[in-house]
Amino acid sequence: AQSVTQLDSQVPVFEEAPVELRCNYSSSVSVYLFWYVQYPNQGLQLLLKYLSGSTLVKGINGFEAEFNKSQTSFHLRKPSVHISDTAEYFCAVRGTSYGKLTFGQGTILTVHP
Amino acid sequence: NAGVTQTPKFRVLKTGQSMTLLCAQDMNHEYMYWYRQDPGMGLRLIHYSVGEGTTAKGEVPDGYNVSRLKKQNFLLGLESAAPSQTSVYFCASRPLVSYNEQFFGPGTRLTVL
Repeated sequence: AQSVTQLDSQVPVFEEAPVELRCNYSSSVSVYLFWYVQYPNQGLQLLLKYLSGSTLVKGINGFEAEFNKSQTSFHLRKPSVHISDTAEYFCAVRGTSYGKLTFGQGTILTVHP
Repeated sequence: NAGVTQTPKFRVLKTGQSMTLLCAQDMNHEYMYWYRQDPGMGLRLIHYSVGEGTTAKGEVPDGYNVSRLKKQNFLLGLESAAPSQTSVYFCASRPLVSYNEQFFGPGTRLTVL
């Protein structure tokens, strides 16, 4: 069984500040890890994914995430946020069973001017 | 390509009424999924399908039924709606290749009074 914990339900930041959204997972098998973003009243859009190889993964809109196997973490970072980054972010883990995703609870990122 | 589409976008039901949510994808994906999204709980898997004519239960299947008579369509049915089924429902699809992410539809907002 897999589980995902997003440690912060809400993260307020000012524009151009750096941000880190934290995600920890548990799984007994090798996993694929994903970050999705949901803008208001929209569906989920993939930001980035970790499948294997380099532990630093770069995604769209300047986001990146680092896979840390020893700490079972997959934190999302951006060095300088914009107002348009205001959205809810979901970390998800996928095991080997039919590609089913287990999602974290979500983190609402609010960027203030 | 339209990607993943969902109908309807919004619906209000009275307790005990029935309805069907339609998901359609034009990407020839084998896997399809139905999730519900509730505040603070992320997305939870209701049912999924690994191919035409096959369905399986996810994490929260009670009160829902599904059918996949055609590869491109995945229907979610509520036989007797309850207020606890008030939620936003998302459909997703994924190709057979294991490392691909899921592609999400725009969602259906359902309110049960």
